[in-house]
Amino acid sequence: DTAVSQTPKYLVTQMGNDKSIKCEQNLGHDTMYWYKQDSKKFLKIMFSYNNKELIINETVPNRFSPKSPDKAHLNLHINSLELGDSAVYFCASSRWDRGPLNSPLHFGNGTRLTVT
Amino acid sequence: DAKTTQPPSMDCAEGRAANLPCNHSTISGNEYVYWYRQIHSQGPQYIIHGLKNNETNEMASLIITEDRKSSTLILPHATLRDTAVYYCIAFMNTGFQKLVFGTGTRLLVSP
Repeated sequence: DTAVSQTPKYLVTQMGNDKSIKCEQNLGHDTMYWYKQDSKKFLKIMFSYNNKELIINETVPNRFSPKSPDKAHLNLHINSLELGDSAVYFCASSRWDRGPLNSPLHFGNGTRLTVT
Repeated sequence: DAKTTQPPSMDCAEGRAANLPCNHSTISGNEYVYWYRQIHSQGPQYIIHGLKNNETNEMASLIITEDRKSSTLILPHATLRDTAVYYCIAFMNTGFQKLVFGTGTRLLVSP
């Protein structure tokens, strides 16, 4: 009955490789997000999709390409991986609405990416 | 979104109330105060949010001062499982939740 699930949980790869992280939510939410938590534990938003449409793109390098095949899935593909991409990537989802009805974010448990 | 300031760390004895403060002196009238926590090796977890009234749910209580410049998250009976980093976030709820997480407060609950 996992709400937001990410795969894989751990990902170790070499510089220059291309990798993907998958995210799925079964909460019926229409908005999904990717957050990055670096080694200093700062958590920053990268992307957000609403109904499969990109709505937030926080000046992330073009090597990062999110894809949302449907409202329940948001995948993250990373090309030409660099050492600095090492971090924990969190997927999240919410129901879009304004004001108090806006549901809080539900996060997955993260994917720890290590680039060697 | 308004900047928030939290103490870097706090300790609490198991079974006692944990009171976590947050300053948000530049908060605007339509910005909400949200609290999340992150237990080690897990994703952040929503706790509670409010605009100006005090709020309570099964996890915690949120006390917001009348001038809304600060708030306190209260865990009434802290357990060891409440050990986590607690984030206080103030933002305008426009629909798309571009939350900015600061450094938070690391709460250590001890036996």
